[in-house]
Amino acid sequence: SAVISQKPSRDICQRGTSLTIQCQVDSQVTMMFWYRQQPGQSLTLIATANQGSEATYESGFVIDKFPISRPNLTFSTLTVSNMSPEDSSIYLCSVEDGEPGSYEQYFGPGTRLTVT
Amino acid sequence: AQKITQTQPGMFVQEKEAVTLDCTYDTSDPSYGLFWYKQPSSGEMIFLIYQGSYDQQNATEGRYSLNFQKARKSANLVISASQLGDSAMYFCAMRESSSNDYKLSFGAGTTVTVRA
Repeated sequence: SAVISQKPSRDICQRGTSLTIQCQVDSQVTMMFWYRQQPGQSLTLIATANQGSEATYESGFVIDKFPISRPNLTFSTLTVSNMSPEDSSIYLCSVEDGEPGSYEQYFGPGTRLTVT
Repeated sequence: AQKITQTQPGMFVQEKEAVTLDCTYDTSDPSYGLFWYKQPSSGEMIFLIYQGSYDQQNATEGRYSLNFQKARKSANLVISASQLGDSAMYFCAMRESSSNDYKLSFGAGTTVTVRA
């Protein structure tokens, strides 16, 4: 399975600032995903990032707040803009990998963000 | 409507015993995949097991097995011979093949605590 790394692993940020989270995969993957997990909650998909096209955002998430880049098949960034305490969450990137047709999806270690 | 339902917020299990985590799903798509993930306190999401809707046999991966009952739309996870390291949050998820965006829908999760 793909090995996924994220930077930073955690951060404490002040409200009104922005943070860019990096996701690096050790193999080329077509689709990358960004999820948010608010404290004590399940995972919610923010957007799907395909190389060479604009990210597709889920309902409730907008590009101005969560701009995403996908410059190549192994890398993506998610920026959390103009942060507020409500943005305190774990942010995870994931990729689809595994046997063809298996739909196996693997996650990075996550970025734990606290906004004060 | 909720696509994935996990009705057990928390469970206790004695070390070396087996535990079953419930998961029911809702879809009209004939082709779909079901996943279980483990999330320890560190926050990473660890892929455990996958079951395709057309798979004839229940999936198994080491101490993890998936009790797939298609007619009942249930995909329970069985952890055999529990270990202290199994203490974590467990999430059931589904990917519907009709959704070309490949996203996963997650349940609310079940916290498992293994007692020595």
